[in-house]
Amino acid sequence: SQTIHQWPATLVQPVGSPLSLECTVEGTSNPNLYWYRQAAGRGLQLLFYSVGIGQISSEVPQNLSASRPQDRQFILSSKKLLLSDSGFYLCAWCVLTGDYGYTFGSGTRLTVV
Amino acid sequence: GENVEQHPSTLSVQEGDSAVIKCTYSDSASNYFPWYKQELGKGPQLIIDIRSNVGEKKDQRIAVTLNKTAKHFSLHITETQPEDSAVYFCAAHLPLRDYKLSFGAGTTVTVRA
Repeated sequence: SQTIHQWPATLVQPVGSPLSLECTVEGTSNPNLYWYRQAAGRGLQLLFYSVGIGQISSEVPQNLSASRPQDRQFILSSKKLLLSDSGFYLCAWCVLTGDYGYTFGSGTRLTVV
Repeated sequence: GENVEQHPSTLSVQEGDSAVIKCTYSDSASNYFPWYKQELGKGPQLIIDIRSNVGEKKDQRIAVTLNKTAKHFSLHITETQPEDSAVYFCAAHLPLRDYKLSFGAGTTVTVRA
């Protein structure tokens, strides 16, 4: 079966520190992958998406970057965190055959202090 | 791109009553409309979806209706229960080269016991 793993579940980081969040998908090949951020009580903001290895599209200019080193691995990074980077980060995948729905990971709650 | 508007932003209902959330979309070429439920601290989960060639779909207590002429779709929850309390997001898929869902801003549903 298809599953998505996202870690860590929670993270508290000081301002100026680096960030690396990882997302992996199992049970499917060549998925589209997405990173979303959700501020407290707010909607889903698309940060990055990827249609294949090494292919990254950025939706919002910001302090973050993304990489896709392997087909089923998607990484969200920052060299120096800002207070405004705090939020709930969600990874999602979909395949472009049949059902078009996204499957979301369980999320990472990031607090920058 | 596609623009999705969702109303209301908050909805409080008495247990046992029905809840209705409405979304409108801007591009008539959109062809797939999923609904997601997000419980506190978790990632959104797909609960029901509908394609543009279908007018209505039901799954136990939840149903979705689509009016392509008016470009709106709605989520109906009957016989609401406390476990229906969550944030609900609608979305629309516009068939472009890069697959992305456009999400509504979300509706916080509270079911009062």
